[in-house]
Amino acid sequence: AQSVTQLDSHVSVSEGTPVLLRCNYSSSYSPSLFWYVQHPNKGLQLLLKYTSAATLVKGINGFEAEFKKSETSFHLTKPSAHMSDAAEYFCVVRVGRDYKIIFGKGTRLHILP
Amino acid sequence: DAGVTQSPTHLIKTRGQQVTLRCSPKSGHDTVSWYQQALGQGPQFIFQYYEEEERQRGNFPDRFSGHQFPNYSSELNVNALLLGDSALYLCASSLGTGGPEKLFFGSGTQLSVL
Repeated sequence: AQSVTQLDSHVSVSEGTPVLLRCNYSSSYSPSLFWYVQHPNKGLQLLLKYTSAATLVKGINGFEAEFKKSETSFHLTKPSAHMSDAAEYFCVVRVGRDYKIIFGKGTRLHILP
Repeated sequence: DAGVTQSPTHLIKTRGQQVTLRCSPKSGHDTVSWYQQALGQGPQFIFQYYEEEERQRGNFPDRFSGHQFPNYSSELNVNALLLGDSALYLCASSLGTGGPEKLFFGSGTQLSVL
C-alpha cells in the first residue's frame, strides 16, 4: 500500500534561514508525489509535483523538492524563509485514478522574526 | 471568477442527527471531490463525483453519501452523526479526470458534533 510519512509535526525557523520539511513515502512502484500548503481559512494550494520526470522539482514561492528513490524521500526545501510561509504543509501521494490521493499528517511551519 | 465555494462555513450538530454540506465548483469545472480533515490530520478522500455519479470512493461508511447536480454543484450528506465525524470537510473541483494538480480546494466547512 502506498503512504507518506511526514517526520515532523512542527518546524520552527527564523526568517531568512533555510526551510526543510521532511517526507518519506512508501510505494511498490514509481509514485506521483505532491506538496500542498494550507494557510488558515484558505483552501489547500499545490506547491509542486513529482511525476517521474526531473528528480529536482521547483514549485511556487521559491520552494523545491528532491525525489530520492534510494532514500524513499521527497523533502521540501526553501533557501530563505519568509513570514508569509507560516502555514501547514502536506506531503501527498497519488494512490489511484484521478484524484484519489493520500495526505500525510502535515507539518506546521512556524517562522520566527 | 469565483473559486470553489462551500456552505455553511461552520455547523454544529448533535449525535444522531443528519447534515448536508454544499459545494459550488470553480467556474468551468465539472468534477467534485470531497475530503475529511480531522484535527491534526491530513485530509482523507471521501469520494469523487463526475457526470452526476460517484466515480471513486475512499474508506468511509455508507453513512457518507453525496450527490452532484446538473450544474455540477455537489452535496455531502452524513447520517447518524458520531462525535468522530467532527472535522473540516473540504471540497475540491476540477475539469474532468486527471491528476491532483488539477484540483482547486475550497476553504471548507467546519462541522462540530456534540
